[in-house]
Amino acid sequence: QKEVEQNSGPLSVPEGAIASLNCTYSDRVSQSFFWYRQYSGKSPELIMSIYSNGDKEDGRFTAQLNKASQYVSLLIRDSQPSDSATYLCAVRYSSASKIIFGSGTRLSIRP
Amino acid sequence: GAGVSQSPSNKVTEKGKDVELRCDPISGHTALYWYRQSLGQGLEFLIYFQGNSAPDKSGLPSDRFSAERTGGSVSTLTIQRTQQEDSAVYLCASSLEPRSGEAFFGQGTRLTVV
Repeated sequence: QKEVEQNSGPLSVPEGAIASLNCTYSDRVSQSFFWYRQYSGKSPELIMSIYSNGDKEDGRFTAQLNKASQYVSLLIRDSQPSDSATYLCAVRYSSASKIIFGSGTRLSIRP
Repeated sequence: GAGVSQSPSNKVTEKGKDVELRCDPISGHTALYWYRQSLGQGLEFLIYFQGNSAPDKSGLPSDRFSAERTGGSVSTLTIQRTQQEDSAVYLCASSLEPRSGEAFFGQGTRLTVV
């Protein structure tokens, strides 16, 4: 069974600090990795995609991928109260295949 | 359209009735996904369509669930003889290319079976 695992949280981070969200996946041949943000009562919104080992930065967000360790993470710098949401890690195991989601990590930014 | 459109937004149905949920993907997107999200839970994969290929139905929970995608565009998810455990938000997403896989979601259909 291919799985994507995340700590459910809640993760509480003070405003202005770095929030670190982690995700592990079970299949070594996975190709594509995504982070989605979901506010309560809303649909998931794509934040970042990453396809190769290393870091990918976009504004305050940095995605990190380590395929050898089957690990992907999301760093949020200068955390804001508006970052409070559930963050979903998603993995695609090959091209033209389904995307599997983790159960999400609830992040709370405290003022 | 500008985004993925789902209808209806909310549906209340009686146990045992059939329901149809519709998804209109972003124009030109070749891949379409259906997921289910129960309250406080993650996204449960249901079915995946890619172009003219046979759909991946591996996530459909029972034979009461089926989905079609006509003309490579609009998709309909049908649930027959609904049960209370079918109550959830049903989310549709589409993506432009199978390689990138960046999927964009509609607003979802909240299904309540009473």
